[in-house]
Amino acid sequence: NAGVTQTPKFQVLKTGQSMTLQCAQDMNHNSMYWYRQDPGMGLRLIYYSASEGTTDKGEVPNGYNVSRLNKREFSLRLESAAPSQTSVYFCASTTPGDTQYFGPGTRLTVL
Amino acid sequence: QKEVEQNSGPLSVPEGAIASLNCTYSDRGSQSFFWYRQYSGKSPELIMSIYSNGDKEDGRFTAQLNKASQYVSLLIRDSQPSDSATYLCAAHGRDTGRRALTFGSGTRLQVQP
Repeated sequence: NAGVTQTPKFQVLKTGQSMTLQCAQDMNHNSMYWYRQDPGMGLRLIYYSASEGTTDKGEVPNGYNVSRLNKREFSLRLESAAPSQTSVYFCASTTPGDTQYFGPGTRLTVL
Repeated sequence: QKEVEQNSGPLSVPEGAIASLNCTYSDRGSQSFFWYRQYSGKSPELIMSIYSNGDKEDGRFTAQLNKASQYVSLLIRDSQPSDSATYLCAAHGRDTGRRALTFGSGTRLQVQP
């Protein structure tokens, strides 16, 4: 049981490049989330998916898109990366009792 | 005003002492509350959840909730150097369709040997 997995662990991009962050969970959870964490800002919700086939914006969705490919997988895409998107990105999934389990994170630097 | 507020710290306590971490929240409709521990460079991991007013104990950890005062706390008894980490308070609000948590910025705890 791997829990929540994320790839890649580290990434460096140039301004304007695109990339997709991958997330998968094997706990059969319906809800999945993408957060970003910046120093002093805590975790901020980018997008979430309450169930397969649905996605919705969180607090800071600008510059991002998501895809809920199936129940297991939820990807985050940066179409044109900007230095302001330098952050640590965490994927999470939630039990019916609202306990969130986090993946190991992706450290993204945009130059 | 942030929806979940925490003192950023650092909170420094000697080994063996009680560490007291505090959190306030602004949404009176919040129903459930969580404490996560995050070591540097790692992902948050759940320590405690609490849903009702009062205390909830789990080993060395006690979570306390006071909905009237909109206040949540975490006590760590017999603090160990391995408890040194950032502690995140989170609240689940009334927007149950979203089922997302709102996090505080975290309090950094340092336990001195």
